[in-house]
Amino acid sequence: DARVTQTPRHKVTEMGQEVTMRCQPILGHNTVFWYRQTMMQGLELLAYFRNRAPLDDSGMPKDRFSAEMPDATLATLKIQPSEPRDSAVYFCASAELNYGYTFGSGTRLTVV
Amino acid sequence: GENVEQHPSTLSVQEGDSAVIKCTYSDSASNYFPWYKQELGKRPQLIIDIRSNVGEKKDQRIAVTLNKTAKHFSLHITETQPEDSAVYFCAASRSGGFKTIFGAGTRLFVKA
Repeated sequence: DARVTQTPRHKVTEMGQEVTMRCQPILGHNTVFWYRQTMMQGLELLAYFRNRAPLDDSGMPKDRFSAEMPDATLATLKIQPSEPRDSAVYFCASAELNYGYTFGSGTRLTVV
Repeated sequence: GENVEQHPSTLSVQEGDSAVIKCTYSDSASNYFPWYKQELGKRPQLIIDIRSNVGEKKDQRIAVTLNKTAKHFSLHITETQPEDSAVYFCAASRSGGFKTIFGAGTRLFVKA
């Protein structure tokens, strides 16, 4: 089965530190999404890309979050500086156009 | 803006009974409706989807129905088993590159 690969799986960091999460989408998928999941908020869309171009990042706090796709095999989500309220599971997903997302295993981020 | 409402938020059934989860959407141009299952600590996974040119789709014990006029769609699980216990997310999107809107999720408990 083709997979979306996310690294790291777990990250514990101190408040104020930079966090970088990485995602390798499925080869041939041209749409990549970043979601944040907390118990209270469900699946919250942060940003998404089509053919590596950012289409919508309105769900992201712009002052501290940034998302990029330097090439077709890598998407990154950075938080700088991190805060305790950023603690959540961050999922990357990829799809062909907008059908049938495949999610990665997620990065569980804890900011202390 | 676009919105997907999902009910109930929690559902508890006895093993062998049926479970029904309902969603309504606001964007009348939506034409693709996937359902995702997320087991505890795991990624959401696509379990079934339906497009607006059909009213019903079945896959073994699960079925989805769509009523475009009323803008609602439902997931039906028959002969529930303990392994069906998970959070289920409905979603709606348009073809042509628009983002998918997720419901808030339904936590299903199947009691043995």
